[in-house]
Amino acid sequence: GAGVSQSPSNKVTEKGKDVELRCDPISGHTALYWYRQSLGQGLEFLIYFQGNSAPDKSGLPSDRFSAERTGGSVSTLTIQRTQQEDSAVYLCASRPSWGAGNTIYFGEGSWLTVV
Amino acid sequence: AQSVAQPEDQVNVAEGNPLTVKCTYSVSGNPYLFWYVQYPNRGLQFLLKYITGDNLVKGSYGFEAEFNKSQTSFHLKKPSALVSDSALYFCAVRDRDNFNKFYFGSGTKLNVKP
Repeated sequence: GAGVSQSPSNKVTEKGKDVELRCDPISGHTALYWYRQSLGQGLEFLIYFQGNSAPDKSGLPSDRFSAERTGGSVSTLTIQRTQQEDSAVYLCASRPSWGAGNTIYFGEGSWLTVV
Repeated sequence: AQSVAQPEDQVNVAEGNPLTVKCTYSVSGNPYLFWYVQYPNRGLQFLLKYITGDNLVKGSYGFEAEFNKSQTSFHLKKPSALVSDSALYFCAVRDRDNFNKFYFGSGTKLNVKP
């Protein structure tokens, strides 16, 4: 696609429920990132994929968080047993593997509210 | 360790005046540096990057940034601010040792008043 696509754009869920957030990267981009941004704050790295593998998942805040990527394309971030502190914007980004200094491009984000 | 700092949480400037948003970095070797802008309720948009070559980099929407190796800075500038430039700005550095890592600053909120 033309840009990084994320869905849902907005999600309100009850505490304790599971949520899935989807990211469709730019076509041909092999690297994919998930970040979290709390209201008006900076970016918190969650996980990085190269192809379907995740060589760096150091930013996942707890074992309630998991992510997978299939076919070297779409990625899903799953949050189990959501808590109110999980409320944030979840940003996905992708970049091509070639080219020194290549840029990561972000989607519009999935706004998660846990009530 | 690689890192980037944005020392100002907020910058206020009058429309038509020049603006500067500051960024300093700490990396080993030569850095790859980036600026992104985030408008309210939107994702981050790429503005410009420094890889090598000219220290003055020009980007989108009339923005430019100057790489200063001796001061380890990469300040974002625009000669004449617009109200529509009001947004959150993020500086980022890419780790040359670990190519996959991008480190983002904490962000600077730019307010341009009419």
